Amino acid sequence: EVQLVESGGGVIRPGGSVRLSCEASGFNFDDYAMSWVRQVPGMGLEWVSGINWKGVSTGYADSVKGRFTISRDNAKNSLYLQMNSLRVEDTALYYCARPALRLSSYYGLDVWGQGTTVTVSS
Amino acid sequence: DIQMTQSPSSLSASVGDRVTFTCRASQSIISYLNWYQQKPGKAPKLLISTASSLQSGVPSRFSGSGSGTDFTLTINNLQPEDFATYYCQQSYSGPRTFGQGTKLEIK
Repeated sequence: EVQLVESGGGVIRPGGSVRLSCEASGFNFDDYAMSWVRQVPGMGLEWVSGINWKGVSTGYADSVKGRFTISRDNAKNSLYLQMNSLRVEDTALYYCARPALRLSSYYGLDVWGQGTTVTVSS
Repeated sequence: DIQMTQSPSSLSASVGDRVTFTCRASQSIISYLNWYQQKPGKAPKLLISTASSLQSGVPSRFSGSGSGTDFTLTINNLQPEDFATYYCQQSYSGPRTFGQGTKLEIK
């Protein structure tokens, strides 16, 4: 079964840091680009960051650029999001997601995890 | 960055109706436009990729069209399970931005 499982969320103080993880199973992880997408409860979807299948090309939303770092370990079938200098407005449910097509960054995201919640609060 | 604008922000319709959602990009994205359906408490579900390619398992009453900057998602013969929020997303360049969503409600 194709599956993505996120972990690492919690309650963090403003200015603090946290690292999210996403463990993949059921597919050749190193053939797929990966993304992080977040959603404030009751609000819309925001694409946060993406990384290509080799891990050499990355992209970020303006809202997180310079504070968040995406990375992957293909040997461990895992995706990460290092989140630094956290702000209250980073509070959201964070999903990792995989595109429908291997070896492409141009397709829609057809596999999603269940999400992990990050709450930034003093 | 490419901005995605969806209209309307909400729509009321009845079972059996035909509805159309619109998504506009701030610059040409060729056909790299995706549509998602999201129900409360669930992760988004990919319906259509590259503007018109229906994902496996998605009912044929869903269809997408458009290219360049203007795109549409059409649902024919609305079913009760179709009432949800729909998002477009560009996957052409830069941050893969989403539209703000259209909430489809039962009339």
